[in-house]
Amino acid sequence: AQSVTQLGSHVSVSEGALVLLRCNYSSSVPPYLFWYVQYPNQGLQLLLKYTSAATLVKGINGFEAEFKKSETSFHLTKPSAHMSDAAEYFCAVRSTSGSARQLTFGSGTQLTVLP
Amino acid sequence: GAGVSQSPSNKVTEKGKDVELRCDPISGHTALYWYRQSLGQGLEFLIYFQGNSAPDKSGLPSDRFSAERTGGSVSTLTIQRTQQEDSAVYLCASGREGEGYTFGSGTRLTVV
Repeated sequence: AQSVTQLGSHVSVSEGALVLLRCNYSSSVPPYLFWYVQYPNQGLQLLLKYTSAATLVKGINGFEAEFKKSETSFHLTKPSAHMSDAAEYFCAVRSTSGSARQLTFGSGTQLTVLP
Repeated sequence: GAGVSQSPSNKVTEKGKDVELRCDPISGHTALYWYRQSLGQGLEFLIYFQGNSAPDKSGLPSDRFSAERTGGSVSTLTIQRTQQEDSAVYLCASGREGEGYTFGSGTRLTVV
């Protein structure tokens, strides 16, 4: 079975500060990993994905994430937070084999950016 | 269209009525997911379609919920005898193997 844990349901950073949102996964096989962002009253937008190519993945809006197999982590970072980054962020895992191909999401992290 | 289209965007229904929610995926996307997002909650997996394979229905919460995907394209999620706890945003996503998945804007269902 696969699962995702996002540490910290709420994270606050100052504008211009580093953003670090944590995601740890559990999967019996190397998975695909995703980060999505959800702005209020909107659907989910794909930020970036890891599909077994480069371990450092760059996404939209200046975000990036590093796949660390030894730590089973896929943390999301951005060097300098903008006010427009305030949103909810979801990490997701999907198995690459077997019958369970569902996307499993973490419980989300609400990011607040302080002026 | 360029994205995943869901209709209606909002639906208010009386308890006990049946509702149908529609998802038009991106053309050529073989995978289609339905999720449910309740207020302040994460995403709850409901059902997954992949090509012509049998769907993964393991997330459907009760037999009042069903979904079909016709011709490998449009999907309909049906909720029979709606209950107040069914109130949520229902999200559809489509994609291809090994790629990211594109979500629609969702249908906000309110059962009164």
